Amino acid sequence: EPEVTQTPSHQVTQMGQEVILRCVPISNHLYFYWYRQILGQKVEFLVSFYNNEISEKSEIFDDQFSVERPDGSNFTLKIRSTKLEDSAMYFCASTLRGTDTQYFGPGTRLTVL
Amino acid sequence: AQSVTQLDSQVPVFEEAPVELRCNYSSSVSVYLFWYVQYPNQGLQLLLKYLSGSTLVESINGFEAEFNKSQTSFHLRKPSVHISDTAEYFCAVSDAIRSGNTGKLIFGQGTTLQVKP
Repeated sequence: EPEVTQTPSHQVTQMGQEVILRCVPISNHLYFYWYRQILGQKVEFLVSFYNNEISEKSEIFDDQFSVERPDGSNFTLKIRSTKLEDSAMYFCASTLRGTDTQYFGPGTRLTVL
Repeated sequence: AQSVTQLDSQVPVFEEAPVELRCNYSSSVSVYLFWYVQYPNQGLQLLLKYLSGSTLVESINGFEAEFNKSQTSFHLRKPSVHISDTAEYFCAVSDAIRSGNTGKLIFGQGTTLQVKP
């Protein structure tokens, strides 16, 4: 069964450093998402991406964040200058249509020191 | 704006007992409803969903949920739980409006189901 994959599984970085989290969505899917889950809290929507552009973003997704689909298979989330409060589990998800079931990756745990 | 409330942060239950995990939502538009499960150190897996049609939906592992529009609820139930059901359960909602729908999910806070032997 096709699945969403994410790399790395765990990323440790120093405050102020840039990080790129990578996702490979299911191959025929057209809608892509990033969510995050701070330890002990709810899963929060960050951004949705369709037709090579951001279709919606949350208040959390400020200028420090960016997304890209550089090669038609990968979907990346970049944080330009990480803060301590960016420490969280980041989940990528994809779906064929915006109203369909979203399939989630296993997540990347980002730890900012 | 949409929101989802899961009133119970933790639900301890003995094996083979019935369980109900509560989920209420608020929205000004029609919604799709989902339950996702997260096992320890894993990602989110879809358990079941309501899009339209029958208000009672079932999963392959014995869970069911009923969409109640008047009470804006989508409670998850299982008549007899197993140790392996121990996990975090998240209720989520998205817009049912097709035009311009980005499909973003709004999640509840999650309920930890602890099944004891």
